[in-house]
Amino acid sequence: KAGVTQTPRYLIKTRGQQVTLSCSPISGHRSVSWYQQTPGQGLQFLFEYFSETQRNKGNFPGRFSGRQFSNSRSEMNVSTLELGDSALYLCASSLAIGGGETQYFGPGTRLLVL
Amino acid sequence: QKEVEQNSGPLSVPEGAIASLNCTYSDRGSQSFFWYRQYSGKSPELIMFIYSNGDKEDGRFTAQLNKASQYVSLLIRDSQPSDSATYLCAVGRYSTLTFGKGTMLLVSP
Repeated sequence: KAGVTQTPRYLIKTRGQQVTLSCSPISGHRSVSWYQQTPGQGLQFLFEYFSETQRNKGNFPGRFSGRQFSNSRSEMNVSTLELGDSALYLCASSLAIGGGETQYFGPGTRLLVL
Repeated sequence: QKEVEQNSGPLSVPEGAIASLNCTYSDRGSQSFFWYRQYSGKSPELIMFIYSNGDKEDGRFTAQLNKASQYVSLLIRDSQPSDSATYLCAVGRYSTLTFGKGTMLLVSP
């Protein structure tokens, strides 16, 4: 089975721009979670989608948004980029049956904001 | 606020030794517990998960869970230089995971 895929792998943007990241989950997985990883803060939860609905949201400003499509693929968008948004953005998928399911990570998108 | 605490390390062990990694969590309602390994520049890779109190073994890895003490640990037997990485403890509840900041493990030949 193919793993979680994320595109693009690397991205350079300037302050004020917006960016869209894409995630394709493992086939059959219905839940997609997004995380931001920085050296200082570690892995921080952004949001989780299941069946096209946002089920959980972390403590991030409204500039961070996401969506999930009927095929379970997910996108996240960051508007009005700030220098502090430079990070590794990770997507993880899970079967999401029964809750608390094991999450498998994609390779990540490394975003640099200049 | 849910918290997961890990010693940042580095934890240095010689090749062949047992490495012991520890994690405490604050949310008593936590349902699932995971250990991920992350090599520098890579994404986290699942090593083990555990749901019930006690020990769970998988090859050289043993996860231990004590819900009363809100404590999770990972033992790596016969540590190898290839085990050198950052180990992330994650605690789950209602399909969300809260991660610790990780413990860096260095295994010297």
